[in-house]
Amino acid sequence: GDSVTQMEGPVTLSEEAFLTINCTYTATGYPSLFWYVQYPGEGLQLLLKATKADDKGSNKGFEATYRKETTSFHLEKGSVQVSDSAVYFCALLLDSSYKLIFGSGTRLLVRP
Amino acid sequence: ETGVTQSPTHLIKTRGQQVTLRCSSQSGHNTVSWYQQALGQGPQFIFQYYREEENGRGNFPPRFSGLQFPNYSSELNVNALELDDSALYLCASSLTSGGRADTQYFGPGTRLTVL
Repeated sequence: GDSVTQMEGPVTLSEEAFLTINCTYTATGYPSLFWYVQYPGEGLQLLLKATKADDKGSNKGFEATYRKETTSFHLEKGSVQVSDSAVYFCALLLDSSYKLIFGSGTRLLVRP
Repeated sequence: ETGVTQSPTHLIKTRGQQVTLRCSSQSGHNTVSWYQQALGQGPQFIFQYYREEENGRGNFPPRFSGLQFPNYSSELNVNALELDDSALYLCASSLTSGGRADTQYFGPGTRLTVL
């Protein structure tokens, strides 16, 4: 079935380090791909999205490229800040569907 | 532009009781989806409402039910609460146009605790 796999956390980095959170997916058809972020005690915020192969989504210094050949949508940021500490969820939405399918989330902890 | 709002923020119930959660969609959106997020896990799709009808349902029992109103707001009702229903319940709104759903935007959630 359709699914999303994320790297397990927690990921612990020092401030200004480079971030990569891996996300791969299995899907029939051509899904749209999303990264959502969840800060402690809050709901999900849309971070970025890509709707077709080779699209790059970007926001607040975060980037992810839709790679159809490797079925991946890895999240990257060149220099993380303490305020980026949160749980990051990768998700897909099939063109023919109505529901988001989420990965299990990756907790990021950035230390000063 | 008003974002997605949910009420209440927190709720404590006991086993066997019934609960109603509410969601107001973002302005300009006509579709509401509900998700359950257990502690430490990703959200799981419960169901979606569009044009006041259920538009799709995840793997949840019939004691989970919902409504959508003409102003596109929505309710999630859960009957005969069980301990495993303790979770964060997230509402997401989106715009469905031409039969295709757009990006879903989430509210802050309702934290339900069942004792």
